[in-house]
Amino acid sequence: DTAVSQTPKYLVTQMGNDKSIKCEQNLGHDTMYWYKQDSKKFLKIMFSYNNKELIINETVPNRFSPKSPDKAHLNLHINSLELGDSAVYFCASSPATSGANVLTFGAGSRLTVL
Amino acid sequence: AQTVTQSQPEMSVQEAETVTLSCTYDTSENNYYLFWYKQPPSRQMILVIRQEAYKQQNATENRFSVNFQKAAKSFSLKISDSQLGDTAMYFCAFMKRNFGNEKLTFGTGTRLTIIP
Repeated sequence: DTAVSQTPKYLVTQMGNDKSIKCEQNLGHDTMYWYKQDSKKFLKIMFSYNNKELIINETVPNRFSPKSPDKAHLNLHINSLELGDSAVYFCASSPATSGANVLTFGAGSRLTVL
Repeated sequence: AQTVTQSQPEMSVQEAETVTLSCTYDTSENNYYLFWYKQPPSRQMILVIRQEAYKQQNATENRFSVNFQKAAKSFSLKISDSQLGDTAMYFCAFMKRNFGNEKLTFGTGTRLTIIP
């Protein structure tokens, strides 16, 4: 069973379209994240949710809207896609304990905007 | 804000050799964690090793070990007896201890190639 699963793994779309990436974790973790990896492989956090509550929003354009229907799911919806949105998007989760919360990552979703 | 610097964009070594990847970071925090993640061509992010800043002892995981120098803010990764499967991007990452509000700050990565 995949611990953190993302769908789709690949997404090719035209500029201006709206698209969603879904993420689900079966680890029982309380915190979920979205990270963006750009063409130079740089990884940067976008959002984090703790038990459905938004905790971190790292100055991401409001065209990006995360939605967490329950603590096992964190979806990412992107409106009016732009060329610069092309990237690999990683979902991750971690337990909300007092120790070092090791993040478990999904396999990534490669978004290509044409 | 924390920053993580990996000064070696690319490295290559012969199979079975030992290689050390460098990482430095900048922070004013005292309670934090450091990680090395591996990203093979499959794109999956895989945790290699982690270090708690309050522990002086360097973490080890089989062939992987770190040299953690807190005062120098240095956190290098040593891979012993390198194997072809070690070929990957390696990312150093920093996490401030902040219950329920953790985030990883990554370095720019080092692309490691193991040569047969």
